[in-house]
Amino acid sequence: KAGVTQTPRYLIKTRGQQVTLSCSPISGHRSVSWYQQTPGQGLQFLFEYFSETQRNKGNFPGRFSGRQFSNSRSEMNVSTLELGDSALYLCASSLAPTSTLNEQFFGPGTRLTVL
Amino acid sequence: AQSVSQHNHHVILSEAASLELGCNYSYGGTVNLFWYVQYPGQHLQLLLKYFSGDPLVKGIKGFEAEFIKSKFSFNLRKPSVQWSDTAEYFCAVNSRGGGADGLTFGKGTHLIIQP
Repeated sequence: KAGVTQTPRYLIKTRGQQVTLSCSPISGHRSVSWYQQTPGQGLQFLFEYFSETQRNKGNFPGRFSGRQFSNSRSEMNVSTLELGDSALYLCASSLAPTSTLNEQFFGPGTRLTVL
Repeated sequence: AQSVSQHNHHVILSEAASLELGCNYSYGGTVNLFWYVQYPGQHLQLLLKYFSGDPLVKGIKGFEAEFIKSKFSFNLRKPSVQWSDTAEYFCAVNSRGGGADGLTFGKGTHLIIQP
């Protein structure tokens, strides 16, 4: 069974631009979560989607948004990029929302560099 | 809000030494507990998880963890480490039910095993 895939793996953008990252969950998984990983803040929860609905959102500004499609694939968008948005963005999928008895499986991440 | 504290940010051990990595969380309700590992150049992988039942859980590669509810702790142990255990280890928690999805991670412990 294929794992969680994320595209692109690397991105370089400049301040003020916007970016869209994509995540394809494990087949059959309907829940997708996004995390930001930085050396200073560690791993921080961005948001989680289940059945095309955002269930919960972490403490991030409105520039960070996402969506989930009917095939469970998810995208996250960051508008008006700032230098501090440089990070590894991780996607994780699970059968059902993480507040239930489910474990998450992580993808390799997208490394975003903002210049 | 829940939080996770990992006491040791960097740990250096020799091969065959015993390992214990501390993890404490703050949350009064029912939780799911996890340890994830990130080997150099690889994505996050689940080592072990605790949902309910026996508080001593066994994971992959000889790792185990003990959930002590009264101490809000979920420490990771391995009786004899190997050079291949060199990695970053993350403790994570999420609350059960209530729609508060997403994992809260500790800052991680960078473990280096010297041959």
